[in-house]
Amino acid sequence: EAGVAQSPRYKIIEKRQSVAFWCNPISGHATLYWYQQILGQGPKLLIQFQNNGVVDDSQLPKDRFSAERLKGVDSTLKIQPAKLEDSAVYLCASAFRDMSPTEAFFGQGTRLTVV
Amino acid sequence: KQEVTQIPAALSVPEGENLVLNCSFTDSAIYNLQWFRQDPGKGLTSLLLIQSSQREQTSGRLNASLDKSSGRSTLYIAASQPGDSATYLCASYHKAAGNKLTFGGGTRVLVKP
Repeated sequence: EAGVAQSPRYKIIEKRQSVAFWCNPISGHATLYWYQQILGQGPKLLIQFQNNGVVDDSQLPKDRFSAERLKGVDSTLKIQPAKLEDSAVYLCASAFRDMSPTEAFFGQGTRLTVV
Repeated sequence: KQEVTQIPAALSVPEGENLVLNCSFTDSAIYNLQWFRQDPGKGLTSLLLIQSSQREQTSGRLNASLDKSSGRSTLYIAASQPGDSATYLCASYHKAAGNKLTFGGGTRVLVKP
């Protein structure tokens, strides 16, 4: 079974530039999460989708971050414009809702450096 | 709002010693609790998932316990090896909150040969 795919693996941009990350979840997984992990900290939830609907985006900085989930499958996370404090690893995860136990599977992440 | 805490933030042990990693959560109405391992520069690898109705789960040298009433989970790693050096993260699921997954800050483990 293929895992969660993320691209790119690494990205370096200058502040005020834009960047986009892509995630392809495990086939059939209805729940998709985007997390931000700053060095030395645990992952922080940015947004959670159930199919193509948003379940929780309370910690998403909506003035600069946006996310969408196309047809309930792939998802993109965009930052525009980027700030230095956005330097982090962005993790995507998926889970098969209604399966008990609900287990999340993570991709390798995208490491973003803003200079 | 659920808060998940892991203490200590870092731990160093000699090879062969048993590891005990702690995770506490403020809201006991969890659905499941999951332990992950993260190697430097890598994503998260799932180690064990404990359902709210269970008290423990085992996989090889790993054993995780769950005590919902006290808001605690513990990950035990028997006979540690240098290859166990990594960051260990716990996360709780809240079904009532749409299966929201909340992480602790992690415990960075170093096993010295």
